[in-house]
Amino acid sequence: SQQGEEDPQALSIQEGENATMNCSYKTSINNLQWYRQNSGRGLVHLILIRSNEREKHSGRLRVTLDTSKKSSSLLITASRAADTASYFCATVDTGGFKTIFGAGTRLFVKA
Amino acid sequence: NAGVTQTPKFQVLKTGQSMTLQCAQDMNHEYMSWYRQDPGMGLRLIHYSVGAGITDQGEVPNGYNVSRSTTEDFPLRLLSAAPSQTSVYFCATGSGGPDAVGPYNEQFFGPGTRLTVL
Repeated sequence: SQQGEEDPQALSIQEGENATMNCSYKTSINNLQWYRQNSGRGLVHLILIRSNEREKHSGRLRVTLDTSKKSSSLLITASRAADTASYFCATVDTGGFKTIFGAGTRLFVKA
Repeated sequence: NAGVTQTPKFQVLKTGQSMTLQCAQDMNHEYMSWYRQDPGMGLRLIHYSVGAGITDQGEVPNGYNVSRSTTEDFPLRLLSAAPSQTSVYFCATGSGGPDAVGPYNEQFFGPGTRLTVL
C-alpha cells in the first residue's frame, strides 16, 4: 500500500496564483522529497526536506514538514502555465533504502 | 553525461513471454531502483540495489527479477509476462544514506519504458 496520500488529487488555477499541495504519510521518515512529472515523462526532483527540518525554500517553491502530524505541503508561488504537471511527494524510510510515493496532485495552470 | 538511460522506450509482449528492461547510469551511484507507475497512480517500488551483488525487494516484487553485477547496470527481468504488468517502468539512482549507499539525497529518474502485455 502506498504511504503518501496527496491532497487535492487535482487542482486548476489561473496563472499568477499560488498552488498548494498536501501530503500525508504513515511511518517514520528520513526525508521527504517532491517531484514533478510532465505528461509521459520521467520524474524531476524539485526539493528535499529532512526529518529535522521544518521549512525549505527553493526559488518559487516552499515546502513545510510537520513530523508530529506526518504531513508536508508544497507551495508554488506565482504559478506559470509551464508549471502544469503532476506533483508527487515521496518519503524515504529511516532505514534509508525504500522510497514510497504518493498518488500525486495534477496541477493545471491556465494562461 | 547521459545520466540514467532506459531501453527500450516501448515494448509489447504476449502473455507468458519474458523480457529484460535495461537501465544504465553513469553517475557512479551505488543505489539503483525500479518502479512501476500505473495510470493515475504514483510510483511503486519493485526492487532496489545498494551496490553490485546486493539487491532487495520493494513493495511489489512478484513476477520480477533483478541482479546487479556492475555499478552501472541494473536490469529488470519479467519472468512470464501477465496483463497486470502493463505499466510504465522507471529506473532511478540515488546517493547518500546508511553507509552512504541509500537514497537520502535526490533521486534521478530515467525516461521510462512503456510496457503493454496482451
